Order: sequence, then C-alpha cells, then structure tokens
Amino acid sequence: QQPVQSPQAVILREGEDAVINCSSSKALYSVHWYRQKHGEAPIFLMILLKGGEQKGHDKISASFNEKKQQSSLYLTASQLSYSGTYFCGTGEELTGGGNKLTFGTGTQLKVEL
Amino acid sequence: NAGVMQNPRHLVRRRGQEARLRCSPMKGHSHVYWYRQLPEEGLKFMVYLQKENIIDESGMPKERFSAEFPKEGPSILRIQQVVRGDSAAYFCASSPPLYAGSNEQYFGPGTRLTVT
Repeated sequence: QQPVQSPQAVILREGEDAVINCSSSKALYSVHWYRQKHGEAPIFLMILLKGGEQKGHDKISASFNEKKQQSSLYLTASQLSYSGTYFCGTGEELTGGGNKLTFGTGTQLKVEL
Repeated sequence: NAGVMQNPRHLVRRRGQEARLRCSPMKGHSHVYWYRQLPEEGLKFMVYLQKENIIDESGMPKERFSAEFPKEGPSILRIQQVVRGDSAAYFCASSPPLYAGSNEQYFGPGTRLTVT
C-alpha cells in the first residue's frame, strides 16, 4: 500500500519552518525522502533505517518512528530553493540487496518571499 | 563523478511503435531500478535489475514491457506497441552494491515518453 503524506500542500514564507509526515500501514524497514521540482528528477535528501537515529543535514532533518510506522521531515528556516514536491518512499528489502521503494502521495511545498 | 544518465530525454512515438529507453547507472553502482511517473502522480516501481539479471519485476505490466541490464552497456526499458496510456516520465535510479553498506537510490533525469 502507498504511504500517506500530510499535508498535501503547504505554502510558507521564507524563513518559516515546516513538517511533512509520512505514514504507512505496513511495518517499515527504511524510509527515503526526496524532493522533486516540476519536470526534473527526484533529488535524494536522506534515508532512515530501522533502528537508526534521526538524521539531518543543514536545515533539513528527519525522524523515524518504527512503532507508529511513520516518518517526519523537518524543514527549518525555509529557503526559496526548498520549493517542490516532497516524496517519502518506504523501502522493501529485495533479494540481492536491493530496495523496492513505494512512494507516498507527495506534499507540494511552496516558499514565498 | 557523473550521475545517472538517461536517453533520450524526450521521445515521441505513434501508437503501435516501439520505445527504447536507456539508462547508464552511476559509476560503481550495480543496481538499477526503473520507475514510472504519470502526470501529477508519484513514482511507481517497475523493475529492479543487476548485471544480466532481473531480480524483481513485480511492477512491470505483463505484456509489451521488458527490461534488461546486459553485461556491457546501459540498461534498456523496452515498450512494444505503445498505447496512449504509456505516456509518462520514466525514471531510472541506481544504487551501490550491497557491500558498500548503502542503499540510497539516485535518479536520472528521466525520459518523457509521449504517445500520439
């Protein structure tokens, strides 16, 4: 089943913070976060593994709650470049060490001046 | 270090023709994935390949679609007898081998297929 993201869309003023949530009905092995701008490739942001710690770089961080089967992406002091659609992908381990990602419904984020 | 490369970036085909999409993974990456994205939707997994092996094709339509990753050369996604519903962006992603300890997937720029 496809993970559900919330909110569906959010508009921020530059410098504001945002939280994007990703919930799954299945037990999570890993969660992968991406940002995609219109007409472009998804850009990898970070991966969280079961049993791993909260990760972050610069002003973007994420958490992974295995019991609740959800992950949250935190954007602080947002910049215009943060605009885009954010997708979470839940990973299913495959034979050979690969990961099948099931992507969420997406969250459209727009940062304005 | 060059990223994932895909070509062509845009492809127009008439109904009934064949479409061939190519993907060269990042250097050192041995895992290739194909995803399809319909307009205004998220990405859907199609197939996962390693060199000369299809590992999981659970997301591939049963007919007209095939994929390969030969020992030499790029991975190919082939769509035979295309129909209008095949119009979409097709993304390839690659990830390092298992022993690298990382399973992050990096996406190519995609091929936008339009069927007329």
